[in-house]
Amino acid sequence: AQTVTQSQPEMSVQEAETVTLSCTYDTSESNYYLFWYKQPPSRQMILVIRQEAYKQQNATENRFSVNFQKAAKSFSLKISDSQLGDTAMYFCAYLYTGANSKLTFGKGITLSVRP
Amino acid sequence: EAGVAQSPRYKIIEKRQSVAFWCNPISGHATLYWYQQILGQGPKLLIQFQNNGVVDDSQLPKDRFSAERLKGVDSTLKIQPAKLEDSAVYLCASSFGQWGETQYFGPGTRLLVL
Repeated sequence: AQTVTQSQPEMSVQEAETVTLSCTYDTSESNYYLFWYKQPPSRQMILVIRQEAYKQQNATENRFSVNFQKAAKSFSLKISDSQLGDTAMYFCAYLYTGANSKLTFGKGITLSVRP
Repeated sequence: EAGVAQSPRYKIIEKRQSVAFWCNPISGHATLYWYQQILGQGPKLLIQFQNNGVVDDSQLPKDRFSAERLKGVDSTLKIQPAKLEDSAVYLCASSFGQWGETQYFGPGTRLLVL
């Protein structure tokens, strides 16, 4: 069974600084997607970034980028120029691209951005 | 493009009462999901629909939870009777295809059972 591990329960960063959130996963599949979702206090789950496993190039979305290490099964999220609005819970998630796939979430990490 | 819509946003009920949640997916999305998220945890899939058929309901507590997606668009999730441990956020998500597609989430319904 696939598992997603986020070992840091919470982190704090000063506004305008850079922070990296860690995630590891376990799978025997070769075709899958990895995601970072953001969940602010409103509880809406917002897609931050997506990485296809077959792509070697790391995904980027404005201030958000990932470091995808397929062999190490590591998928970290880097947030540059942190903003107060980045304060939220962040979930790493895995999705196999084949039949009967289920989106598997980690336990999440609470990120606080300090003014 | 409109996102996933859910209502109500908040609901407070007493145990043993019934409650229903509504979800309208993104237009054109064939697959709809209901998740339960207990405070401090990641979401857990309750049921997955492909159009109006159930694809996976293995984690749905069928003695008290039911869901339907008539006409393959809107969906309703019902709890009857509710228990204290049902207090959670219920998230609806949708995706274009059935397998291996990015899921987009609605704002959720926060349920408190007293």
